[in-house]
Amino acid sequence: DAGITQSPRHKVTETGTPVTLRCHQTENHRYMYWYRQDPGHGLRLIHYSYGVKDTDKGEVSDGYSVSRSKTEDFLLTLESATSSQTSVYFCAISVGGRGGVQETQYFGPGTRLLVL
Amino acid sequence: GNSVTQMEGPVTLSEEAFLTINCTYTATGYPSLFWYVQYPGEGLQLLLKATKADDKGSNKGFEATYRKETTSFHLEKGSVQVSDSAVYFCALLQGGSEKLVFGKGTKLTVNP
Repeated sequence: DAGITQSPRHKVTETGTPVTLRCHQTENHRYMYWYRQDPGHGLRLIHYSYGVKDTDKGEVSDGYSVSRSKTEDFLLTLESATSSQTSVYFCAISVGGRGGVQETQYFGPGTRLLVL
Repeated sequence: GNSVTQMEGPVTLSEEAFLTINCTYTATGYPSLFWYVQYPGEGLQLLLKATKADDKGSNKGFEATYRKETTSFHLEKGSVQVSDSAVYFCALLQGGSEKLVFGKGTKLTVNP
């Protein structure tokens, strides 16, 4: 499982509240990713990181921010949660050769978020 | 841009039937191709991959061959089991990019 944990695994929150999801890895991988999974959309990339303090946007980044102050932790924050952000969130790390070249991604167990 | 198209499900088969899930892609150059599997209530697991044309990835009885001429990476298994019931995702990774592009997933149900 590439040593990836996510917390919390389940969360229910109310519209307008801030929410932070944590992804933790134990193997010092450089690249980390946050995806959301929704029916009919597969997985869509929210943000990714290519090192400490180095992050970039994915295809569905609006309403989300990320931070990476340590190699092992990648945090996803919903500043003001909306019902459209109800989803399952997956963290992933990239393993293999030099970044971006023929790498393989491995996924965490996911966080189910319900925004009421 | 890069994209992946999978056959729409759900797919329902009887145990020991032959499985094919079609996957085609659009990309420039030579992407790497992947199949991931998601069992109920779990995260995605890498099932198999292929990194260049004509490569065959295989795992747990599943196979897929990277066909550049048809831009395809179809998933096959000769005899499915109830335990293969899951959602299967095809994905590509463009060379020089850090971003996986996923298909929408195909739900497979295998009945005893």
